[in-house]
Amino acid sequence: DTGVSQDPRHKITKRGQNVTFRCDPISEHNRLYWYRQTLGQGPEFLTYFQNEAQLEKSRLLSDRFSAERPKGSFSTLEIQRTEQGDSAMYLCASSPRTDRNEKLFFGSGTQLSVL
Amino acid sequence: GNSVTQMEGPVTLSEEAFLTINCTYTATGYPSLFWYVQYPGEGLQLLLKATKADDKGSNKGFEATYRKETTSFHLEKGSVQVSDSAVYFCALSGRNDYKLSFGAGTTVTVRA
Repeated sequence: DTGVSQDPRHKITKRGQNVTFRCDPISEHNRLYWYRQTLGQGPEFLTYFQNEAQLEKSRLLSDRFSAERPKGSFSTLEIQRTEQGDSAMYLCASSPRTDRNEKLFFGSGTQLSVL
Repeated sequence: GNSVTQMEGPVTLSEEAFLTINCTYTATGYPSLFWYVQYPGEGLQLLLKATKADDKGSNKGFEATYRKETTSFHLEKGSVQVSDSAVYFCALSGRNDYKLSFGAGTTVTVRA
């Protein structure tokens, strides 16, 4: 169990640029989640996958955001035409089963700064 | 929709003091309730959970009881240590829901 890995740890970009983040969940974890956290706030749900299927997307996830999980392993989160309001910590989490009481294992996050 | 409200911080305590962090929730049906903790430089990790009314979750000396009548899940520890300094998040998952809704977090600093 090597934990949930996220890359990069930090990303600085200019407004209008596209960025892509990667998440590698714990091996054999079926569920994968993306959250966004801004300073002084708790994580806000963005989307989640059951294997390769994207089952739910938050209204926070505008058309500029897209997430994929090909082959049900790693996942990518892309933000197109970044805006300053996109600056946040993007967290990935995974869980081994479909039980809603199952704990989530979080990565350390990708800190995005949009200048 | 589901929401969680937790006590605002920051909270500063001396070692061996008693800690309480209040958490109340709004949800339809019977949610599951969680406390997650984020230590400096680390990712969020589950501290404890309770899945039905009157359940008590406990771990590392922390406890929280699921109170349906007051829609609360307050976190307590009788004697804190410097190593308990962290940000604590209350969270819930709805009855037919697989995602967590988090509170804003409470920063706790314990001084020796």
